[in-house]
Amino acid sequence: ETGVTQTPRHLVMGMTNKKSLKCEQHLGHNAMYWYKQSAKKPLELMFVYNFKEQTENNSVPSRFSPECPNSSHLFLHLHTLQPEDSALYLCASSQEGIHLFFGSGTQLSVL
Amino acid sequence: GNSVTQMEGPVTLSEEAFLTINCTYTATGYPSLFWYVQYPGEGLQLLLKATKADDKGSNKGFEATYRKETTSFHLEKGSVQVSDSAVYFCALSGATNKLIFGTGTLLAVQP
Repeated sequence: ETGVTQTPRHLVMGMTNKKSLKCEQHLGHNAMYWYKQSAKKPLELMFVYNFKEQTENNSVPSRFSPECPNSSHLFLHLHTLQPEDSALYLCASSQEGIHLFFGSGTQLSVL
Repeated sequence: GNSVTQMEGPVTLSEEAFLTINCTYTATGYPSLFWYVQYPGEGLQLLLKATKADDKGSNKGFEATYRKETTSFHLEKGSVQVSDSAVYFCALSGATNKLIFGTGTLLAVQP
């Protein structure tokens, strides 16, 4: 048990749908992250939140919209996605920004 | 900018074989270096780390030595098991404390 829980584990959506990914950490960390994992590519850092404030947006398209209501919860709102957005989306948390604890991810398929 | 290069997989070995997964990095200053492991259906977990030149990180029989002269952090294990089958990611953290990952190397160990 890593202490970082992501739901749903799998998601299939059409290009016109709106859906949200949820992440919750039970480790008392102050930083949370969204990463995108695609085949044969390095993990792509998407967003970073420190103490609920967004500190990094790595040139992510606006069809991805993060929300961090408190230090324990992180959401990724999705709308009008493209098929190339299909990937594994990983949430992580940390206390000092170096040792990251990851969730199991949401496998997203955009049809 | 900072970057990590890993050998492409998959790496297929028989049980009890010797494992090496190569990793080299490009960075300014003195980064910290990491190996993360992702077992099937799970998120990434920290396997080992080294924070300065000549340090050796070790865990679960895996080892990696921080070689500044060759900018490398190769992962080794003397005798792999089927349960070691996973994707292994090399990563570095520089002055900004942002983790930069490689593309990952799939290891498949056959009985």
